[in-house]
Amino acid sequence: DQQVKQNSPSLSVQEGRISILNCDYTNSMFDYFLWYKKYPAEGPTFLISISSIKDKNEDGRFTVFLNKSAKHLSLHIVPSQPGDSAVYFCAASARNKLVFGAGTILRVKS
Amino acid sequence: KAGVTQTPRYLIKTRGQQVTLSCSPISGHRSVSWYQQTPGQGLQFLFEYFSETQRNKGNFPGRFSGRQFSNSRSEMNVSTLELGDSALYLCASSLSGGAPYEQYFGPGTRLTVT
Repeated sequence: DQQVKQNSPSLSVQEGRISILNCDYTNSMFDYFLWYKKYPAEGPTFLISISSIKDKNEDGRFTVFLNKSAKHLSLHIVPSQPGDSAVYFCAASARNKLVFGAGTILRVKS
Repeated sequence: KAGVTQTPRYLIKTRGQQVTLSCSPISGHRSVSWYQQTPGQGLQFLFEYFSETQRNKGNFPGRFSGRQFSNSRSEMNVSTLELGDSALYLCASSLSGGAPYEQYFGPGTRLTVT
């Protein structure tokens, strides 16, 4: 039972354009959502998070949107840079347990 | 501040053997979680330790076990290895494990079972 789903295995974007990564969840008990970025041969790195009481959180080029009624969150990267090429995982938290999606590979072409 | 360290980085074992992986969290972090990453499956939660006690457990068989020491360092053990246990095993630490639930990951241990 996949409680957190990232339905797009990969995404390719031109440098300077917007990257939009999507994530859906099924468990309404999740109260905190996070995005992680992972480069090959490294562990995931925390990127940005959002509490379930908010619908938007912004940090520089990264913005996370949360739509609780649709149980959907998205990560926007503007403008995309080649260094953003990595695997992006969304994660959701309930009762001190993190559930991760399968990840989306983002390729930013220069 | 030093990050999360995991040893060894790479390991090759044979079916039926057992293996122990080690994780040293960031100084001051008391929560350590373990994850298994396989292609297409994302990160699957194994267990979390806090103050030497297992606080949360994922849906893995009993062959997977762990422990945490008084200095917050943690070990994970897998007994009777199977081919399907080949994966990247990641350890993550956080201050307390409660929200904001931002975990800091180590580079992982790549386990290959032949």
